[in-house]
Amino acid sequence: QKEVEQNSGPLSVPEGAIASLNCTYSDRGSQSFFWYRQYSGKSPELIMSIYSNGDKEDGRFTAQLNKASQYVSLLIRDSQPSDSATYLCAVKSRSNYQLIWGAGTKLIIKP
Amino acid sequence: GAVVSQHPSWVICKSGTSVKIECRSLDFQATTMFWYRQFPKQSLMLMATSNEGSKATYEQGVEKDKFLINHASLTLSTLTVTSAHPEDSSFYICSAPSGRNNNEQFFGPGTRLTVL
Repeated sequence: QKEVEQNSGPLSVPEGAIASLNCTYSDRGSQSFFWYRQYSGKSPELIMSIYSNGDKEDGRFTAQLNKASQYVSLLIRDSQPSDSATYLCAVKSRSNYQLIWGAGTKLIIKP
Repeated sequence: GAVVSQHPSWVICKSGTSVKIECRSLDFQATTMFWYRQFPKQSLMLMATSNEGSKATYEQGVEKDKFLINHASLTLSTLTVTSAHPEDSSFYICSAPSGRNNNEQFFGPGTRLTVL
């Protein structure tokens, strides 16, 4: 079983709709969770971090964390074509600064 | 967020030569930096953790004598790919922790290495 799992996609969403990206993790003691966006040929860019159960909103992005169910999700409202990218879920290792990465979900926003 | 730079952004070299890639934290100090490699359409793969003042920690399967890491100061880590071969062609990306309790990792723009 992979430590951090994501659906590889591609996930196709019409422009203006809500894109929902999901991630599950295996280490129940994990405390820090991150969503990165990676455009093709570019390095990852941090877009959201979440540490507590519940929702955290930042502009059009909302991260949701449920530690009991061991999942974290990212919602993108009013999706734009510029949101088309691969979204990487990362969970911080308890033992050091390392991040455990999901394989990423490719999101395509169709005009 | 914190800013991390990498140099060069791309490099083409002949097989058998060595290539050095620099990673700098521009507006913060980093006692730890991470080096990743990413092949086309694949996920990030952590190669090693660079530690200022001590030896780097390599992930399983990564040859430490081939990928030399030196964390020269609190703002600079270098990765040298020695005797590069075409199979070493990849996208090399560094990151450094910063932010709340050093939880967040910030990435450099990456270095695309092509070995002919």
